[in-house]
Amino acid sequence: EPEVTQTPSHQVTQMGQEVILRCVPISNHLYFYWYRQILGQKVEFLVSFYNNEISEKSEIFDDQFSVERPDGSNFTLKIRSTKLEDSAMYFCASSLPQGFQPQHFGDGTRLSIL
Amino acid sequence: DQQVKQNSPSLSVQEGRISILNCDYTNSMFDYFLWYKKYPAEGPTFLISISSIKDKNEDGRFTVFLNKSAKHLSLHIVPSQPGDSAVYFCAASASGNNQGGKLIFGQGTELSVKP
Repeated sequence: EPEVTQTPSHQVTQMGQEVILRCVPISNHLYFYWYRQILGQKVEFLVSFYNNEISEKSEIFDDQFSVERPDGSNFTLKIRSTKLEDSAMYFCASSLPQGFQPQHFGDGTRLSIL
Repeated sequence: DQQVKQNSPSLSVQEGRISILNCDYTNSMFDYFLWYKKYPAEGPTFLISISSIKDKNEDGRFTVFLNKSAKHLSLHIVPSQPGDSAVYFCAASASGNNQGGKLIFGQGTELSVKP
């Protein structure tokens, strides 16, 4: 069964450094998303992306964050200058373009900021 | 943000019996509801969904019930199996029939099915 893949599974970065999290969505999906889950908290929406532009973003998704689809298969989340509070599990998801389709999630990247 | 709430952090059920997981929501604009299952060190896995035009959807051992007037949905697992032990998340979207709508998640309920 097709799946969303994320790399790396764990990223350790010094505070203030840039980090790029990578995702390969399911091949025929056209909507892409990033979510995060801080330890002990809910899964929360960051951003959705369609047709090479951001569809919607949350208030968490400030100027430090950016997303990109650099080629036909990858979808990336960049955090420019990481803070301690960015430590979390980051999940990528994708979905088909038709209405009422579920989002399918990858296994996540655990980001640890030191 | 308490738009989607799962009030039971944990549930323990005997193998073969029914598991009932509950979820409440406050936003009447939600029109699509999903249940995800999550094992440790894995991402949420889609289980079953329901749109607001229905009140029940069934897939094998899993059935989701939606009560719009009470703003309540539930997931029934019958019969429960030890492999069902995981954290279950309820999620909702207010995208209409347009795709790309963000999901709002509940806090999760940890289900333990005992042999």
